[in-house]
Amino acid sequence: DTGVSQDPRHKITKRGQNVTFRCDPISEHNRLYWYRQTLGQGPEFLTYFQNEAQLEKSRLLSDRFSAERPKGSFSTLEIQRTEQGDSAMYLCASSLEGGRVSGNTIYFGEGSWLTVV
Amino acid sequence: GNSVTQMEGPVTLSEEAFLTINCTYTATGYPSLFWYVQYPGEGLQLLLKATKADDKGSNKGFEATYRKETTSFHLEKGSVQVSDSAVYFCALSQVSNYKLTFGKGTLLTVNP
Repeated sequence: DTGVSQDPRHKITKRGQNVTFRCDPISEHNRLYWYRQTLGQGPEFLTYFQNEAQLEKSRLLSDRFSAERPKGSFSTLEIQRTEQGDSAMYLCASSLEGGRVSGNTIYFGEGSWLTVV
Repeated sequence: GNSVTQMEGPVTLSEEAFLTINCTYTATGYPSLFWYVQYPGEGLQLLLKATKADDKGSNKGFEATYRKETTSFHLEKGSVQVSDSAVYFCALSQVSNYKLTFGKGTLLTVNP
């Protein structure tokens, strides 16, 4: 168990560019979540997947945001035409539904920092 | 909807002092309750959790008890260390989807 890993850890981009973040969940975890955290705030839910199905999207997830989990393993979060307001840390997390060992605890990665200039 | 309210920081303590960070919640049904800790520049780490009323979660000297009658889950530690300096987040999740709702976080600074 290597934990949830995210890449890249830091990204600086110019306004209007597209960026993509990757998340590799804990092996065999069937649920994967994306959260966004801005300075001085708690993380806010964006979306989550059960295997490859995207089951819920927050209203925070505008049309410029798209998340995928094509094979039910890793996930990508793409932001198109970035704006300065997108600057935040994007956190990925995973959990095992129905798992007795983990007790459905959600485990977080170290996050991907995005700065839009 | 669900919400979590935790005491605003920053909280500054001397080493070996007693720590309490208050957390109250609003939710339907019987959520699970969590405390996460975030060290500077890092992601979130689960500190402790409780899944039903009167459960006590504990880890690394920290404790919190799930109080349904007062809808609270206050974090306590008897003797803090400099290494406990971090931001602490209270959170809840519903059993149906395990989506977490977080409080705004409390910054704790422990001085030698």
